[in-house]
Amino acid sequence: AAGVIQSPRHLIKEKRETATLKCYPIPRHDTVYWYQQGPGQDPQFLISFYEKMQSDKGSIPDRFSAQQFSDYHSELNMSSLELGDSALYFCASSPTPGPRTSTDTQYFGPGTRLTVL
Amino acid sequence: AQSVAQPEDQVNVAEGNPLTVKCTYSVSGNPYLFWYVQYPNRGLQFLLKYITGDNLVKGSYGFEAEFNKSQTSFHLKKPSALVSDSALYFCAVRDIRSFQKLVFGTGTRLLVSP
Repeated sequence: AAGVIQSPRHLIKEKRETATLKCYPIPRHDTVYWYQQGPGQDPQFLISFYEKMQSDKGSIPDRFSAQQFSDYHSELNMSSLELGDSALYFCASSPTPGPRTSTDTQYFGPGTRLTVL
Repeated sequence: AQSVAQPEDQVNVAEGNPLTVKCTYSVSGNPYLFWYVQYPNRGLQFLLKYITGDNLVKGSYGFEAEFNKSQTSFHLKKPSALVSDSALYFCAVRDIRSFQKLVFGTGTRLLVSP
């Protein structure tokens, strides 16, 4: 079965640089979520989108922005990178409501490991 | 605020023995609870969830979890552990205020010895 695709899988940046992470949800999933997992930490919710509109916002720095496109893929843009931004960034998606689906389960991608030097 | 707690940083069990990974929750209203597993350098894999219905929920890879309302717990269990079950396990609750985000526990590392 198709899974959530994230690219790149690994990214190395210098301080003050910018980074763009991409997420391709499971087909027919219209909701995308972004989470950040620091070293030895649990995943923390950043932001989510439903039908290309921001639906919820968590502890996302002002230096970060995100959007969802017409094909439902999403991009997380990170500017003025700091050492503390080094983390694993997960994207998750959930399906469109329907008689045989549930909107409750989020399916996670493999993550993008961002290292800021 | 919705939250879950995983009181054990690590659980050690011998292969073939039953395992339990503990999770307690604190929520307003009915809880929507989940278990995910994370293998090294991998994403989070969904194991099972409790939304409503039977208190014993069966999930992937032979795992099950028991929802106990009186003890506000949702412990993950498996009758016979495998070495390949060794991983990081996260309990999570869906935030009812947003109906979207998951709030995770701090994780429990499970080590299954041969």
